[in-house]
Amino acid sequence: AQKVTQAQTEISVVEKEDVTLDCVYETRDTTYYLFWYKQPPSGELVFLIRRNSFDEQNEISGRYSWNFQKSTSSFNFTITASQVVDSAVYFCALSGPDDKIIFGKGTRLHILP
Amino acid sequence: ETGVTQTPRHLVMGMTNKKSLKCEQHLGHNAMYWYKQSAKKPLELMFVYSLEERVENNSVPSRFSPECPNSSHLFLHLHTLQPEDSALYLCASSQGWGTEVSEAFFGQGTRLTVV
Repeated sequence: AQKVTQAQTEISVVEKEDVTLDCVYETRDTTYYLFWYKQPPSGELVFLIRRNSFDEQNEISGRYSWNFQKSTSSFNFTITASQVVDSAVYFCALSGPDDKIIFGKGTRLHILP
Repeated sequence: ETGVTQTPRHLVMGMTNKKSLKCEQHLGHNAMYWYKQSAKKPLELMFVYSLEERVENNSVPSRFSPECPNSSHLFLHLHTLQPEDSALYLCASSQGWGTEVSEAFFGQGTRLTVV
């Protein structure tokens, strides 16, 4: 069965600090996709990144970076020099060949001014 | 019109009512989803349709009944709901497996209140 665990329920950091959001997944599929979404207070789900299981290259997009480690089944997300606008709930998700997209319970991130 | 559109945005219904939620996608995707978002269980997968065939029920109570008449439309029929069913119901679509997999695109949701 597929499972996504985001062990950090809530994190608070002061603006300009770096913060890492953890995501650990379980799957028996050899081919799968991983995703991160942001849900700001306005409620809409904003897609951030997609990564397939064969691409372990880390990715950087501005202040955002992602570390995919197949050996530990983790897909962690780091925000560098955090800003108040980064305050949101962040979800990690997993998709397999059965077309199910399973989400973790989310991490609520507070960036304090 | 593009993206994923859900109607209505807000719905208040009594426990004996019957209502339907509607979702429409104009992205050419072949998979559609219903998710329930509540404080207790954020983003709980309810139903998945792939190529208009239901592939996941996920032990959802029978008072929720999905319908996918074509690849662009998805409905969630509601009857005899309970107050604990009050939540945000999100529809999503994606380009599923068999082609280049995309991320899920979400509608803005229907805020359901059962009284």
